[in-house]
Amino acid sequence: GQNIDQPTEMTATEGAIVQINCTYQTSGFNGLFWYQQHAGEAPTFLSYNVLDGLEEKGRFSSFLSRSKGYSYLLLKELQMKDSASYLCAVRDQYNQGGKLIFGQGTELSVKP
Amino acid sequence: EPEVTQTPSHQVTQMGQEVILRCVPISNHLYFYWYRQILGQKVEFLVSFYNNEISEKSEIFDDQFSVERPDGSNFTLKIRSTKLEDSAMYFCASSQTGTGMGKTQYFGPGTRLLVL
Repeated sequence: GQNIDQPTEMTATEGAIVQINCTYQTSGFNGLFWYQQHAGEAPTFLSYNVLDGLEEKGRFSSFLSRSKGYSYLLLKELQMKDSASYLCAVRDQYNQGGKLIFGQGTELSVKP
Repeated sequence: EPEVTQTPSHQVTQMGQEVILRCVPISNHLYFYWYRQILGQKVEFLVSFYNNEISEKSEIFDDQFSVERPDGSNFTLKIRSTKLEDSAMYFCASSQTGTGMGKTQYFGPGTRLLVL
């Protein structure tokens, strides 16, 4: 079956660094995406990994290990506005228009 | 910056009624998707659409659901006879291509559907 696991909740302090882990077991793999979702709003694209390694984009970085079925999202210099749900999503197929399979999301609370 | 738009933002309907949710994908995108998110649950794929036909659909997308691209800009999801369990946030998404970074899907703000 298709399974994507993330911690349900995390708490961190403003200015700190937090790492949100994601493990996946899917029938195929054609890219892993991280999205940010504030309550009642749409998922907003953060990062994309398809090859092993680290992708850095400002305060956000994402890492992928395909052999381990593992990714993490690293958020640095945390701000209060980073309080949101972070969704890990895998595209499992190479066909055109392949769907995203989402994890449950990790609810991050940033405290002063 | 171009974005996906959706109307209405909220819809309340009676069980058994038909609803049509509307989306305007990003203008140069070729792939279109519908997802839903029941309150407190994960985002679930419903259907993908490319070149005027369905590419893939999930088990949720049964005969009560249909999609259409009636003109060059709109993409609609119709639920023929709504059930209580159809209450959810419905997200439209689009991507430019099916390969590389172009396969990144951008989401609209959603339509919150409540079936009474």
